Amino acid sequence: AQTVTQSQPEMSVQEAETVTLSCTYDTSENNYYLFWYKQPPSRQMILVIRQEAYKQQNATENRFSVNFQKAAKSFSLKISDSQLGDTAMYFCAFMKGTNFGNEKLTFGTGTRLTIIP
Amino acid sequence: DVKVTQSSRYLVKRTGEKVFLECVQDMDHENMFWYRQDPGLGLRLIYFSYDVKMKEKGDIPEGYSVSREKKERFSLILESASTNQTSMYLCASSSPGTVGETQYFGPGTRLLVL
Repeated sequence: AQTVTQSQPEMSVQEAETVTLSCTYDTSENNYYLFWYKQPPSRQMILVIRQEAYKQQNATENRFSVNFQKAAKSFSLKISDSQLGDTAMYFCAFMKGTNFGNEKLTFGTGTRLTIIP
Repeated sequence: DVKVTQSSRYLVKRTGEKVFLECVQDMDHENMFWYRQDPGLGLRLIYFSYDVKMKEKGDIPEGYSVSREKKERFSLILESASTNQTSMYLCASSSPGTVGETQYFGPGTRLLVL
């Protein structure tokens, strides 16, 4: 079974600063996917960024980037030039890779990020 | 635009009541999921479905059942609600065939069982 650990329950940072959210996971799989999802207050959860384990290059999406360390089983999210709209609960998630999809997501416990004006 | 809707944002029920939570997606997705979200525990999978009339247990299925009679609709049923089922319930859907597929979430139903 897979486990996902987010050791920072809460974080806060000043607007325009850079913040890094930590995530570690445990798996015996070699083929898998990692995700960061964002849940703004009273709004729907949305995908922020995704990383395929077989890709060495770290994924980036505008101000969001990841530091994927496969050997260390670490998958941190960096938010650059943070904005007030980044205030949200952030969940790290793991999905086992198969040839046909249809796999479940295993979520961490979340990090509540507050951007301070 | 992708859309997953849930029948209620807030729900208050009494212990012992039968509770239905409805989820509808308009993306023609085969996969649908029900999670519960609790502080400090993250999201935990209750049930999921890969096709109409198919269902599989997730990590915490006890006290719940599901129904999927149509592709776009996935219902979560609490047969006899208990106070420990007070939680936020999230529905999600995804399209299979794309490995590592993104799940799309509904807005959630906050259920209070008194």
